[in-house]
Amino acid sequence: RKEVEQDPGPFNVPEGATVAFNCTYSNSASQSFFWYRQDCRKEPKLLMSVYSSGNEDGRFTAQLNRASQYISLLIRDSKLSDSATYLCVVNRLGSARQLTFGSGTQLTVLP
Amino acid sequence: NAGVTQTPKFQVLKTGQSMTLQCAQDMNHEYMSWYRQDPGMGLRLIHYSVGAGITDQGEVPNGYNVSRSTTEDFPLRLLSAAPSQTSVYFCASSRQGAHEQYFGPGTRLTVT
Repeated sequence: RKEVEQDPGPFNVPEGATVAFNCTYSNSASQSFFWYRQDCRKEPKLLMSVYSSGNEDGRFTAQLNRASQYISLLIRDSKLSDSATYLCVVNRLGSARQLTFGSGTQLTVLP
Repeated sequence: NAGVTQTPKFQVLKTGQSMTLQCAQDMNHEYMSWYRQDPGMGLRLIHYSVGAGITDQGEVPNGYNVSRSTTEDFPLRLLSAAPSQTSVYFCASSRQGAHEQYFGPGTRLTVT
């Protein structure tokens, strides 16, 4: 089983739609969780950290369910500029900064 | 600040050749790491360093060497290139105690 598994993509949604991505992780001792965004042929960039209480940043909401080892990202009112690959990221066991990346979910927002 | 820079952007090697991928950061970050990204597999950690003079292996270290003589630079050496090392390589850095990693633009390597 992969350490971090994400929804298979691609997701193609119209502008203005709400879309949700899911991610599961296998290591129950993981402490830190993130969503990174990667544009085509570019480097990953941090989108947001995921906190136990859930957190929101504008149109983006991230949630963590430790009991189910499940992380989600909700994007409301999708924009064309949201088209990218979204990477679920979890810290590796025993190291706060060794990160394990999911393979990513590709989102295309259509006009 | 330039952030994290990587050179070259593209490289084609023949099997058996060696080369060094360069990575530098000007943010005075203690932590630096190298990842490779292959289709459908996500980024995988090759080597990392928590400070000058200290390096350690990640998930897929075989065939690669690193050194960290200064805080700014963290080169990755391919000892004898193999087609399985065809990939996109990303260097990243972060501050002590921080989790956000800043990535360089990547090096696209093809080994024939």
